[in-house]
Amino acid sequence: DAGVIQSPRHEVTEMGQEVTLRCKPISGHDYLFWYRQTMMRGLELLIYFNNNVPIDDSGMPEDRFSAKMPNASFSTLKIQPSEPRDSAVYFCSSSWTGTDQPQHFGDGTRLSIL
Amino acid sequence: QKEVEQNSGPLSVPEGAIASLNCTYSDRGSQSFFWYRQYSGKSPELIMFIYSNGDKEDGRFTAQLNKASQYVSLLIRDSQPSDSATYLCAVNTDTGRRALTFGSGTRLQVQP
Repeated sequence: DAGVIQSPRHEVTEMGQEVTLRCKPISGHDYLFWYRQTMMRGLELLIYFNNNVPIDDSGMPEDRFSAKMPNASFSTLKIQPSEPRDSAVYFCSSSWTGTDQPQHFGDGTRLSIL
Repeated sequence: QKEVEQNSGPLSVPEGAIASLNCTYSDRGSQSFFWYRQYSGKSPELIMFIYSNGDKEDGRFTAQLNKASQYVSLLIRDSQPSDSATYLCAVNTDTGRRALTFGSGTRLQVQP
């Protein structure tokens, strides 16, 4: 079975540009999570969805960040406008039935904002 | 106080030894506990999960949970150089965000 699929794997762009990260969860998983990982702050939860509905977005750092899940097999995380401090690895994960279940992570998107 | 605390390491053990990784958490309502392994430049990979007090074994890995002491550990028996990675402890809190909180990770080095 395919795991969580993220794209792109790497993104380098200039400050002020819009960045869109994409994620396809494991089929049948009802929960989807977006994380950001940096050396300084570790792995931080940004937002999670249950059945395509955002449940908790309190980890989204600023209004520049937004996330959508238009259907069960696709989610996006958008940053507009991007800033150098947004540089990090962004992971998407999914789980079957709840936040208390094992999560399976995608390979991540390494984002560099110049 | 951080919600989930781990010693950052590095923890260095010789090949064949037992590696013991520890994690403490602050929320007494926590119900689910996970260990993830993360190789440099890779994504976190689930190793073990445990919900009840006591030990849970899977191959060379044993997870230990003590809710009274708010402590969870991971033992790796017969450590191999391929076990060298960062190990992340994650705890599902039963209050607030009701989502996983990750520790900062312990870097393990297994010396051949």
